[in-house]
Amino acid sequence: DTAVSQTPKYLVTQMGNDKSIKCEQNLGHDTMYWYKQDSKKFLKIMFSYNNKELIINETVPNRFSPKSPDKAHLNLHINSLELGDSAVYFCASSQGAGGSYNEQFFGPGTRLTVL
Amino acid sequence: EDKVVQSPLSLVVHEGDTVTLNCSYEVTNFRSLLWYKQEKKAPTFLFMLTSSGIEKKSGRLSSILDKKELFSILNITATQTGDSAVYLCAVVPPSFGNEKLTFGTGTRLTIIP
Repeated sequence: DTAVSQTPKYLVTQMGNDKSIKCEQNLGHDTMYWYKQDSKKFLKIMFSYNNKELIINETVPNRFSPKSPDKAHLNLHINSLELGDSAVYFCASSQGAGGSYNEQFFGPGTRLTVL
Repeated sequence: EDKVVQSPLSLVVHEGDTVTLNCSYEVTNFRSLLWYKQEKKAPTFLFMLTSSGIEKKSGRLSSILDKKELFSILNITATQTGDSAVYLCAVVPPSFGNEKLTFGTGTRLTIIP
């Protein structure tokens, strides 16, 4: 069974379009994340939600809007896509806040290509 | 802002060689340092280091943290082609409940048969 899943795995779209990436985890975790990995493999956090509440919001253009309908899902909607948005987007989840560090489990990634 | 730098950026060795990957950081304080292996897709967790000088070991892989000199190393002995991957290190912020990882630049390791 897949622990953290993302759809779609690949997304090719034109500049200016609006697209969404979905993420679901079946681990019962409280916290979910979105990361962006650029062509140089640099992985950078974008957002984090804990029990549907936004707890980390890095300096990301407001064209990116995360939505968490419940604690098992964290979707990422991107408006007015730009060439620079091309990257691999990873979703991750962890047990959540408090205590010692909780290992983050990553999804398989969504490769977004903006033409 | 916290900064994590890995070296080398890429490394090509022959199967059977031993490699050492470096991770240095400029952070004011952190809870732990993590190592991940990323093959084609998602990063997978390797080690979590919280105390200085205590080696963590898993098979041919081992890692150690030096909090005084602000670095960590990941050693892989008797490398195999399956070790080819990008290796990422990350630091975990000190405050509990804040899981914002700061990742390094990664080291791309290629093992030649």
